[in-house]
Amino acid sequence: AQSVTQLGSHVSVSEGALVLLRCNYSSSVPPYLFWYVQYPNQGLQLLLKYTTGATLVKGINGFEAEFKKSETSFHLTKPSAHMSDAAEYFCALPMDTGRRALTFGSGTRLQVQP
Amino acid sequence: NAGVTQTPKFQVLKTGQSMTLQCAQDMNHNSMYWYRQDPGMGLRLIYYSASEGTTDKGEVPNGYNVSRLNKREFSLRLESAAPSQTSVYFCASKGQSSYNEQFFGPGTRLTVL
Repeated sequence: AQSVTQLGSHVSVSEGALVLLRCNYSSSVPPYLFWYVQYPNQGLQLLLKYTTGATLVKGINGFEAEFKKSETSFHLTKPSAHMSDAAEYFCALPMDTGRRALTFGSGTRLQVQP
Repeated sequence: NAGVTQTPKFQVLKTGQSMTLQCAQDMNHNSMYWYRQDPGMGLRLIYYSASEGTTDKGEVPNGYNVSRLNKREFSLRLESAAPSQTSVYFCASKGQSSYNEQFFGPGTRLTVL
């Protein structure tokens, strides 16, 4: 079965510091991987996705993620945190080989300290 | 385009009451989904509809029913609400390709007393 593990339910960084949010996956087929962001009291919006091709994927708001098959990882990074990045972040992949629905990680809440 | 819309935004029910959560999308997407979000558990799939006229159970379907009314609309019904159904409910839709991401509505915050 497909699964996603996000290490660290809470991450706190200082403004201007590197952001690193970890995601590891288990998949029986070549995975498609997604990162979503949820701002307080809002729905989820897509940050970036990996389907095929280039393993370093750039998303919105300066975020990027690298697909590493050997490590079964898809960690999300941003070189310099901004106060507006404070949100909850979810990693996801299709829940079965039909790729019809997604299974989500448990989420990582990012705090940015001034 | 409004994207994915959900009504109501908030609802308080008493145990045993019933209600229907409404969802509509204007992106001509084939697939639609209902998730619930609980603290520390991410989003869990309740039901989904791969196309008009079809529905399938997700991870946590017990206590819920769905209707894919037409291509645009996908409703979620709680026949007899229980406190364990207190949650935030999200509807989402997705285009035909497997590459496509899901688009989410703003959510319905439901409390069952």
